[in-house]
Amino acid sequence: GIQVEQSPPDLILQEGANSTLRCNFSDSVNNLQWFHQNPWGQLINLFYIPSGTKQNGRLSATTVATERYSLLYISSSQTTDSGVYFCAVESQGGSEKLVFGKGTKLTVNP
Amino acid sequence: DTGVSQDPRHKITKRGQNVTFRCDPISEHNRLYWYRQTLGQGPEFLTYFQNEAQLEKSRLLSDRFSAERPKGSFSTLEIQRTEQGDSAMYLCASSLEVVGRKFFGPGTRLTVL
Repeated sequence: GIQVEQSPPDLILQEGANSTLRCNFSDSVNNLQWFHQNPWGQLINLFYIPSGTKQNGRLSATTVATERYSLLYISSSQTTDSGVYFCAVESQGGSEKLVFGKGTKLTVNP
Repeated sequence: DTGVSQDPRHKITKRGQNVTFRCDPISEHNRLYWYRQTLGQGPEFLTYFQNEAQLEKSRLLSDRFSAERPKGSFSTLEIQRTEQGDSAMYLCASSLEVVGRKFFGPGTRLTVL
């Protein structure tokens, strides 16, 4: 099945810093989502982005489907951005299930 | 749109007991998914429904696990004869389209003593 790799596994920032999280996937996809998992375990939708670029406030994401990667940018980070960020993909021609990476754990210090 | 809801949010049980979790998807979403997440890992797919029909089951779903969606609305996930290895967060998601954004509920955290 499709493989999803996220990097870095851990990231520690000072408040106000910018960061880039990466997601590589091994096959063509027709769905890619970025999630933020808060300390209570809730998966919060950030982006639905199988291709192209989107922006939402301080967050933006770019997926280059032909090269099989996606990037999540966080600018002017805040302590509330802390948590685990997951990339999840649904492969073309595969079943209707999201396959998740192992996540990037982000810690933003004040 | 009230979001996906799950009940209970937390469940502590003794090994060997049966437990049942409920998921209410976003109304009019005909697809419903169950995932399991263990500590330090990403969620892993268990099974999914299109309306009442259970269309796919992961090999993670042993014979002790059963899921239903009897009227095509809410779903239940039952674990019989729980084991300590069943301790995990159980997540439910729903979507409207075949290929589209999936929305997750808050999860049920199961602890088996």
